Amino acid sequence: KNEVEQSPQNLTAQEGEFITINCSYSVGISALHWLQQHPGGGIVSLFMLSSGKKKHGRLIATINIQEKHSSLHITASHPRDSAVYICAVKFGNEKLTFGTGTRLTIIP
Amino acid sequence: DVKVTQSSRYLVKRTGEKVFLECVQDMDHENMFWYRQDPGLGLRLIYFSYDVKMKEKGDIPEGYSVSREKKERFSLILESASTNQTSMYLCASSLRYRGRYNEQFFGPGTRLTVL
Repeated sequence: KNEVEQSPQNLTAQEGEFITINCSYSVGISALHWLQQHPGGGIVSLFMLSSGKKKHGRLIATINIQEKHSSLHITASHPRDSAVYICAVKFGNEKLTFGTGTRLTIIP
Repeated sequence: DVKVTQSSRYLVKRTGEKVFLECVQDMDHENMFWYRQDPGLGLRLIYFSYDVKMKEKGDIPEGYSVSREKKERFSLILESASTNQTSMYLCASSLRYRGRYNEQFFGPGTRLTVL
């Protein structure tokens, strides 16, 4: 069965801290999304990657294909980063399989 | 910017009612998706459409049907709403795979409550 697991489920940190959210998957994938969902809001795509590393502002996403693992990092975290972060993978077709999300809270 | 819109942000219906949720995208995407999102379960695919009048069942299609008569519009239909269909419903769209995988763009979601 194609599975996606995220950790931690919940994360609370002080403003300015370096944040890491992890995503592991069970079998080989063709692409991986990192998504952000604010309370009551829709979902925004942060990154899509299939190898290596991508950076956008204070956000960095990495993927290790051999270890079937991806991480999302946030540098110099800010309260506006508080959201649910979702990992989603494509197991070779058009559809995505989603993790259950990591709820991040950044305290001022 | 890609825009995916959904007909309602909040909807309250009664058990047994027929419910229509509409999704419209403005970027000429071939693929459109309907998901539901429940606490602790993440997003689960209900139905997927890869072209006009084409549809494919997702992981949880029971109790739902879909309609795609025009490329930009994808409707989710609850034939007879039940309380266990109370959920957040999200629509998404993407270009079809053509040698590279394309990200999905999501609508704002419809929070449906069935009483």
